[in-house]
Amino acid sequence: GAVVSQHPSRVICKSGTSVKIECRSLDFQATTMFWYRQFPKQSLMLMATSNEGSKATYEQGVEKDKFLINHASLTLSTLTVTSAHPEDSSFYICSASIAPGTSLRDTQYFGPGTRLTVL
Amino acid sequence: GENVEQHPSTLSVQEGDSAVIKCTYSDSASNYFPWYKQELGKGPQLIIDIRSNVGEKKDQRIAVTLNKTAKHFSLHITETQPEDSAVYFCALYNQGGKLIFGQGTELSVKP
Repeated sequence: GAVVSQHPSRVICKSGTSVKIECRSLDFQATTMFWYRQFPKQSLMLMATSNEGSKATYEQGVEKDKFLINHASLTLSTLTVTSAHPEDSSFYICSASIAPGTSLRDTQYFGPGTRLTVL
Repeated sequence: GENVEQHPSTLSVQEGDSAVIKCTYSDSASNYFPWYKQELGKGPQLIIDIRSNVGEKKDQRIAVTLNKTAKHFSLHITETQPEDSAVYFCALYNQGGKLIFGQGTELSVKP
C-alpha cells in the first residue's frame, strides 16, 4: 500500500515552454502533498506544501508564479513549471501524507520522480 | 532552524559486512525519524522509521536505533548485499511540520 505515482517520468522541453508534472496517490487519500527538488549528488529540498482545496505554501526562495501547484483532489497534485529555463532542469519529486486521523499520518510516501531537462 | 547532520557521506563495504549510518539533530522536540533509500534515478523509498517512545526497531536486516538524550539516530544494515547499494537519507520533522533531510550517504556494497 501507500503508492505514489508521478507522470511523466522524464521530460525534455525547450526554453520558454511550460511543463506539467502530475503526482497521484494510488491507494490512499492524501490531504497534504509535497514537492521537492533534487540536484545531482544533493539532498532533497522542499519547494512547497499543498493541501487539498487550498493554496500551496511555498518555501523561501521558490517563485510561486513560476512553479504553479494545484491540489484539486485528495489523490492528485500538479506542479507546472512555467516559462522553463535551463536552470530549472532538475529532478522533481512529490510525496504524500496519509489523511490525518490515522496512525501513519507522519509518514511521507514519495513518488518515483520526474527528470526535467530544459534545452 | 532544525538541522540534521548525516555521516558518513560515502561508505564502502564488502558484501556480508555491516553498514552503519548516523544522524545527529538539535531539536529535542523531534519525535519521528524515518530513513529513506534512494536508488539512482528513482524517488526515495521509506525503509524504516522510529518514533521517540522507542529506542530500537528492527526489520529483517535493517535496524534503527535512537538515542534521544544524545540526539542521534542510526541505521544499521547487516549482511549487506550488492542490491543494498544506494543513497540513504535520514530525516525528521522540524517544528514547522516540514521533513528535513540529512545530506545523504552513498553506500556501495562490493561483491
